[in-house]
Amino acid sequence: TQLLEQSPQFLSIQEGENLTVYCNSSSVFSSLQWYRQEPGEGPVLLVTVVTGGEVKKLKRLTFQFGDARKDSSLHITAAQPGDTGLYLCAGGTTDSWGKLQFGAGTQVVVTP
Amino acid sequence: GAVVSQHPSRVICKSGTSVKIECRSLDFQATTMFWYRQFPKQSLMLMATSNEGSKATYEQGVEKDKFLINHASLTLSTLTVTSAHPEDSSFYICSAKTGFRDTEAFFGQGTRLTVV
Repeated sequence: TQLLEQSPQFLSIQEGENLTVYCNSSSVFSSLQWYRQEPGEGPVLLVTVVTGGEVKKLKRLTFQFGDARKDSSLHITAAQPGDTGLYLCAGGTTDSWGKLQFGAGTQVVVTP
Repeated sequence: GAVVSQHPSRVICKSGTSVKIECRSLDFQATTMFWYRQFPKQSLMLMATSNEGSKATYEQGVEKDKFLINHASLTLSTLTVTSAHPEDSSFYICSAKTGFRDTEAFFGQGTRLTVV
């Protein structure tokens, strides 16, 4: 089983501050996806990274895939209350159906 | 992006009854669908992989006779929780992929099941 470790588990910050969430594994993933989930709803895909060293930006969110495709990070600049949610990383496994291996999640709370 | 619709969003049932949850891909054909279970403040736990026209593949520890999965078409998969018990109460989520391996997965909005 390819395990994904996410850190921190919980993050509470003030509006305007920056934050970084980490996703680490000892295994190589074919791709890595980041999702945000709000209470009572399904996860919403934020980004998919597939190339080692890849950096993708989505407005104030910056995603990075490690060179060895074993780790990833999500950085939010100038966080806003609307960024509050459960952030999940998920690695694409090597089986033929492309199952996703999920991290435990990071609960982010941004207070005004 | 691709849209996946799950129905119902909430359901309450009595112990011993069965409940069916539907997962539909609205604007694409899903070769593979996945069913997850999520406990409060926890991540998603994969229950089974559902492929159109074939039997579902269940993860270790998931009772296939209790959680019946049917993927009858390229746009519909159903999860039936049979003889439900209060411990089956949970948030169930499906996801669908447009193809194999590296293609992206899109999630439904989830179903909150409460067994009383």
